[in-house]
Amino acid sequence: EDQVTQSPEALRLQEGESSSLNCSYTVSGLRGLFWYRQDPGKGPEFLFTLYSAGEEKEKERLKATLTKKESFLHITAPKPEDSATYLCAVQAGGGGNKLTFGTGTQLKVEL
Amino acid sequence: GAVVSQHPSWVICKSGTSVKIECRSLDFQATTMFWYRQFPKQSLMLMATSNEGSKATYEQGVEKDKFLINHASLTLSTLTVTSAHPEDSSFYICSARPDRGNQPQHFGDGTRLSIL
Repeated sequence: EDQVTQSPEALRLQEGESSSLNCSYTVSGLRGLFWYRQDPGKGPEFLFTLYSAGEEKEKERLKATLTKKESFLHITAPKPEDSATYLCAVQAGGGGNKLTFGTGTQLKVEL
Repeated sequence: GAVVSQHPSWVICKSGTSVKIECRSLDFQATTMFWYRQFPKQSLMLMATSNEGSKATYEQGVEKDKFLINHASLTLSTLTVTSAHPEDSSFYICSARPDRGNQPQHFGDGTRLSIL
């Protein structure tokens, strides 16, 4: 069974204080690993897709990396508007287009 | 681009009522759409995969007769919660995967369902 574990559950940062969120996964044949951002009362917003170990993608203050066992979402010099829950999901080979989600990391960036 | 609209955003109704939720892909076609349920501070749990022109595929433990899914066109899927009870209260979210290209699922903004 595919599993996704995210840590920490919650993270409080000061504005400008860089950090990383972790997503560990076990999956039978990874087709893709996805990062989404979810604001309270809203649906997830797509951030990145990573397909193979060693791949990296960047968008503004966010950078996602992937190894064979985990992915990191690095947040550089965060701002209060980066506060949200960050979700990681995996798509397994042979599983159609199904995504298995982790429980997310709730990030709060304070002034 | 890749906008998914979900309606209504909030529903409050009496126990025993049936509730229909719509999920539309506004600027792309999607043969496949997905319905999720999310409890507070928990992850998204896939309920079913909706396929245009064919029967939905339900995840283990999800009652087909309770959660009716119809995917009548390439831009619209509906979820009907039949004879809803308080335990059905939750946040329901749909997503759609564009048919063109190798694209991720894009999500609607969810429907908060409260059954009294």
